[in-house]
Amino acid sequence: EPEVTQTPSHQVTQMGQEVILRCVPISNHLYFYWYRQILGQKVEFLVSFYNNEISEKSEIFDDQFSVERPDGSNFTLKIRSTKLEDSAMYFCASTGQGATNEKLFFGSGTQLSVL
Amino acid sequence: AQSVSQHNHHVILSEAASLELGCNYSYGGTVNLFWYVQYPGQHLQLLLKYFSGDPLVKGIKGFEAEFIKSKFSFNLRKPSVQWSDTAEYFCAVNFGNEKLTFGTGTRLTIIP
Repeated sequence: EPEVTQTPSHQVTQMGQEVILRCVPISNHLYFYWYRQILGQKVEFLVSFYNNEISEKSEIFDDQFSVERPDGSNFTLKIRSTKLEDSAMYFCASTGQGATNEKLFFGSGTQLSVL
Repeated sequence: AQSVSQHNHHVILSEAASLELGCNYSYGGTVNLFWYVQYPGQHLQLLLKYFSGDPLVKGIKGFEAEFIKSKFSFNLRKPSVQWSDTAEYFCAVNFGNEKLTFGTGTRLTIIP
């Protein structure tokens, strides 16, 4: 089965630093997502992206967050000035026809640790 | 508000026992329903999904789930669990928009 890949698997950063989490969605998919899971808590939706723009975002996705599809293959999540509470596992996901029509394919996640 | 509830936080079973994990949601409209599994150290994987049709859906690894619309439930079942089923199980619901809303998850521990 095709896979969504995420790099790095673990990122450690100092509070206030910028981080970029990278994802390579499945090649023919059109809808892209970021979710996060704080340790011991539920998986939370952050943002969805389609046709080169954000289609939906949660209240968590504030001005410190941004997403980009810089080329035809990568999908990135940037956190401009990290906070301690940003420490979490970040999952990228993609789908070909949108979340209402089919399952999401998830990557293996990037564990972000903010010190 | 649209929400997903999983009331079992941690379930411990012996091998060969039967499993049922509860999932309820709050929303009166059309939904798509999913169960995802996360094995230790691995990513989220789809176990099964319900979009329409037969409310009893069968997934991978012998899992099944039943959508009961009147109860707003989508419980996950397996007649005989194995040690390899030890994992975290997440119910997720799509409420007709571009995101999945996940439950808090149920940690399943199978004792050999």
